Amino acid sequence: EPEVTQTPSHQVTQMGQEVILRCVPISNHLYFYWYRQILGQKVEFLVSFYNNEISEKSEIFDDQFSVERPDGSNFTLKIRSTKLEDSAMYFCASSVGIGREQYFGPGTRLTVT
Amino acid sequence: GIQVEQSPPDLILQEGANSTLRCNFSDSVNNLQWFHQNPWGQLINLFYIPSGTKQNGRLSATTVATERYSLLYISSSQTTDSGVYFCAVDSNSGYALNFGKGTSLLVTP
Repeated sequence: EPEVTQTPSHQVTQMGQEVILRCVPISNHLYFYWYRQILGQKVEFLVSFYNNEISEKSEIFDDQFSVERPDGSNFTLKIRSTKLEDSAMYFCASSVGIGREQYFGPGTRLTVT
Repeated sequence: GIQVEQSPPDLILQEGANSTLRCNFSDSVNNLQWFHQNPWGQLINLFYIPSGTKQNGRLSATTVATERYSLLYISSSQTTDSGVYFCAVDSNSGYALNFGKGTSLLVTP
């Protein structure tokens, strides 16, 4: 069964460093998403991406964040200058359309020290 | 934005017991999903159920869209059912999923 994959599973970085989280969505899906979950809290929406542009973003998704689909399979989230409060689990998801089931990857646990 | 409330926040069951988890939402939705977050933090899709009833083994779910609530039933619970159960609904734009705070379930032997 097709699944969303994410790499790395765990990343440790120092405050101020840039990180890139990678995702491979399900191949026939057209909509891609990033969510994050701070430890012990609920999952929060960051951004959605369709047709090579951002379709919606939350207040969390400020200028420090960017997304890109560099080729036909990968979808990336970049954090330019990490802060301690960026420590969280980051989930990638994809769907075939708006309002359709979103399939989540296993997550990348980001630890900023 | 759309509000999602889950109850109860915490639940402790003995193995073999049944349970019902509830999700209330504040507006009409196109997408409603139930997830199980396992101890490794992975979000496992349980149901995509914007309306109607579905069953998958010991789990079933019902969404009454006109009354803006969904129920997740767990029958004959097992210790592996432990974890956090999240309900999520789409936003007015249709892109983002808004998650509830979850129900933390512990099933004891």
